[in-house]
Amino acid sequence: DIVMTQTPLSLSVAIGQSASISCKSSQSLKYSDGKTYLNWVFQSPGQSPKRLIYQVSKLDSGVPDRFSGTGSETDFTLKISRVEAEDLGVYYCCQGSYSPGTFGGGTKLELK
Amino acid sequence: EVQLVETGGGLVQPGKSLKLTCATSGFTFSTAWMHWVRQSPDKRLEWIARIKDKSNNYATDYVESVKGRFTISRDDSKSSVYLQMNSLKEEDTATYYCTRGYTDYWGQGVMVTVSS
Repeated sequence: DIVMTQTPLSLSVAIGQSASISCKSSQSLKYSDGKTYLNWVFQSPGQSPKRLIYQVSKLDSGVPDRFSGTGSETDFTLKISRVEAEDLGVYYCCQGSYSPGTFGGGTKLELK
Repeated sequence: EVQLVETGGGLVQPGKSLKLTCATSGFTFSTAWMHWVRQSPDKRLEWIARIKDKSNNYATDYVESVKGRFTISRDDSKSSVYLQMNSLKEEDTATYYCTRGYTDYWGQGVMVTVSS
């Protein structure tokens, strides 16, 4: 199975600052169709997860452009510019390129 | 609006069975690939099962840890997907989420506790 490793485990930021989360996979996530199925999902406290970004960099509908995703092959990054209070919670990267789909351990974004 | 509502969770003894139901609305269920993902008490997420649509012969796939014990199925006439869980173990204790298309949309989740 592909192992997804996220860093850091937690991140303390002030409102208005930027935040960056790294996700590394144990093998390339580029599928045979040329696409890379790396998603980012967000879970706010007490809520179910919600997808923010798919295929590395494509924002889901309604997701603010303060969020951006970059990367390729095995190294990926989620960046949040100008963090807002509603962004606090846990972020997970996950891969759907190969079965079984696997998730990173999560990064908790907290208020400084 | 896409909605997924899971039911059927609860407290069950090790070795027993439980069946989860996910009722959906707001999208064309018959062509959607549906999944179950669970979140353990330490908040780790684990994909556990997927069922494809009719054009793909309703093909199923499972994570190794539940193969032979869990069965995913669907009823397109009811826009619902199911997870039959047999021979439950304490390590199956988790919140179970139904999702459309791996992580596109998630339900609110249902808790399953396996304990004697």
